[in-house]
Amino acid sequence: AQSVAQPEDQVNVAEGNPLTVKCTYSVSGNPYLFWYVQYPNRGLQFLLKYITGDNLVKGSYGFEAEFNKSQTSFHLKKPSALVSDSALYFCAVIGFSSGSARQLTFGSGTQLTVLP
Amino acid sequence: NAGVMQNPRHLVRRRGQEARLRCSPVKGHSHVYWYRQLPEEGLKFMVYLQKENIIDESGMPKERFSAEFPKEGPSILRIQQVVRGDSAAYFCASSSTGRTGGTGTGELFFGEGSRLTVL
Repeated sequence: AQSVAQPEDQVNVAEGNPLTVKCTYSVSGNPYLFWYVQYPNRGLQFLLKYITGDNLVKGSYGFEAEFNKSQTSFHLKKPSALVSDSALYFCAVIGFSSGSARQLTFGSGTQLTVLP
Repeated sequence: NAGVMQNPRHLVRRRGQEARLRCSPVKGHSHVYWYRQLPEEGLKFMVYLQKENIIDESGMPKERFSAEFPKEGPSILRIQQVVRGDSAAYFCASSSTGRTGGTGTGELFFGEGSRLTVL
């Protein structure tokens, strides 16, 4: 079975500082990895994805994520946080192996708060 | 608005009543997914449908829950005889491709959710 772990329920960071939201995964086969963001009372918005290629993926709003196969991690990062980045962030994964059908599995989410 | 449209946004039901949640996917998308988000939890997969077919319902409770995606019209998630534990946000997502056999890159477009409260 595939799974995603977001070890931090809450991350606080001061505006202008770098931020990291952690994600580790477990899948069979090659992973497709995603980050989504959810603002209050809204649906999820796609931020970025890793399918193949460069381990560093750049996405929307200045976010990026680094795929680390040996550590099975896909941490979300941003060099300089904005107050408007405050939201709930979800990491998600699909694992592909031998033609198996898989659904997108989400982590439990990390609430990011950027303090002015 | 060309995005995923869900209605109603908020629904209140008493125990034992039926809840029907509707989802119109992005125009041209033929793959629909339903997820449930319980308070303080992440999203849990419920069901994956293509037009007129249920592809994967491994996340659906065995009783009281059903879903359809007819040839014409929106996808419907139906919950019969609701109980308090059904109170949650139900999100619909759509994609242009499926995720079987290694095809598709998995980007889903989400609606803003339907928030069900069972009294």
